[in-house]
Amino acid sequence: NAGVTQTPKFRVLKTGQSMTLLCAQDMNHEYMYWYRQDPGMGLRLIHYSVGEGTTAKGEVPDGYNVSRLKKQNFLLGLESAAPSQTSVYFCASSFRHRGHTEAFFGQGTRLTVV
Amino acid sequence: AQRVTQPEKLLSVFKGAPVELKCNYSYSGSPELFWYVQYSRQRLQLLLRHISRESIKGFTADLNKGETSFHLKKPFAQEEDSAMYYCALRNTDKLIFGTGTRLQVFP
Repeated sequence: NAGVTQTPKFRVLKTGQSMTLLCAQDMNHEYMYWYRQDPGMGLRLIHYSVGEGTTAKGEVPDGYNVSRLKKQNFLLGLESAAPSQTSVYFCASSFRHRGHTEAFFGQGTRLTVV
Repeated sequence: AQRVTQPEKLLSVFKGAPVELKCNYSYSGSPELFWYVQYSRQRLQLLLRHISRESIKGFTADLNKGETSFHLKKPFAQEEDSAMYYCALRNTDKLIFGTGTRLQVFP
C-alpha cells in the first residue's frame, strides 16, 4: 500500500520553464491538497480538490494551476517558473467525512528555480 | 477568515521538562483541529486530533473554544520528541496549517 506518492522528488528549473508535479494516492480519498513549505511560513495551501473534476484555490494560488481528471491523481503545474517558487511542495489526501479526515502526506518535492 | 497561529518558531527544553506548544485559531464555525508532526527526514504525519480526545506518545491537546486555543502538552519531554510540530484547522473543505514550532529536546 503506497499511500501518497509524489513525482519527482527533486527538480531544478530555469526561470520561465514549465513543469508538472504529480501526486497519486491509492486510498480512494475524496480530498486532495497541494501545499508549499517555506522556512518561517509553515505549510501554505496552494490549491485543493474535493473530488474528481473539481479544484479550488487555496491561500497562495497565483502562478500555479491544478487538475484532477482522475480521483487518484492531483497534478500541480507551473507554467512559467519563478525563483519565488523555490520551495518544498507537499501533496496530501484525506477522506471527506468529519471524524475521518486525517490527511496523509507525500514525501515532498524539492523544487529549485534558478 | 480562518487562521491558525503558532506564536513560537522554536521551543528548546531539556529532557524530562514539561512542554507546551501553543496554537490559537480563528474560525466562526465548528472546526476540526489537529496536530501534525514532522520528524527529521520523514513525511508529515498526524499526531492527534481534538475529536478523539486521545493521548499519543504522551502528548495531549484540549480544545478551548472560549480562548480559541488547542495547545499541545506533554509532561515530560523526551529526546525523540524533537521535531517540527504543526497545528491545523479544517473547515468543510480546506485544511489550513500554522507556521509550525520546532521543538528541540536536549539531553
